[in-house]
Amino acid sequence: EPEVTQTPSHQVTQMGQEVILRCVPISNHLYFYWYRQILGQKVEFLVSFYNNEISEKSEIFDDQFSVERPDGSNFTLKIRSTKLEDSAMYFCASSLTKPQHFGDGTRLSIL
Amino acid sequence: GDSVTQMEGPVTLSEEAFLTINCTYTATGYPSLFWYVQYPGEGLQLLLKATKADDKGSNKGFEATYRKETTSFHLEKGSVQVSDSAVYFCALSPLEGGNQFYFGTGTSLTVIP
Repeated sequence: EPEVTQTPSHQVTQMGQEVILRCVPISNHLYFYWYRQILGQKVEFLVSFYNNEISEKSEIFDDQFSVERPDGSNFTLKIRSTKLEDSAMYFCASSLTKPQHFGDGTRLSIL
Repeated sequence: GDSVTQMEGPVTLSEEAFLTINCTYTATGYPSLFWYVQYPGEGLQLLLKATKADDKGSNKGFEATYRKETTSFHLEKGSVQVSDSAVYFCALSPLEGGNQFYFGTGTSLTVIP
């Protein structure tokens, strides 16, 4: 069964550094998403992407965040200048309609 | 706004016990409802779904019925196994508007032999 794949599985970064989280969605999907889960808290929506542009974003998704689909297969989340509170598990998801299919996540640790 | 409220855990059960994890929702209109499962060290996997009132989603012995009158989507399994130990998330997707999902806080289940 096709899967959403995310790399790396764990990223450790110094505060203030830029970080790029990578995702390869399921190949025929059209909608792409990023969510995050701070340890012990609920999964929170960050952004959705369709037709090469952001279709929705939450209040969490401020100017420090950006997304890109640089080619036909990758979908990336960039955090420009990381803060301690960005430490979380970040999930990529994709869908054709509903439901969304999730990757295994990238654990981001900010030191 | 749209939201999901889930029974707080953690839940610990003996093997073959009956499981119920409560989930209620707040939404305008008729959302789709989902249960996702997260096994240790893994991502979110779709467990089951229901898209309209009175629909019953089922998978791997788990069931949940979309109850509009009580705005609930409780997860049940008649006989849990050790391999069911995981965190379970209830989620909704609004009928209209965007495609984002709203998740509950998750309920951790541990099944002991």
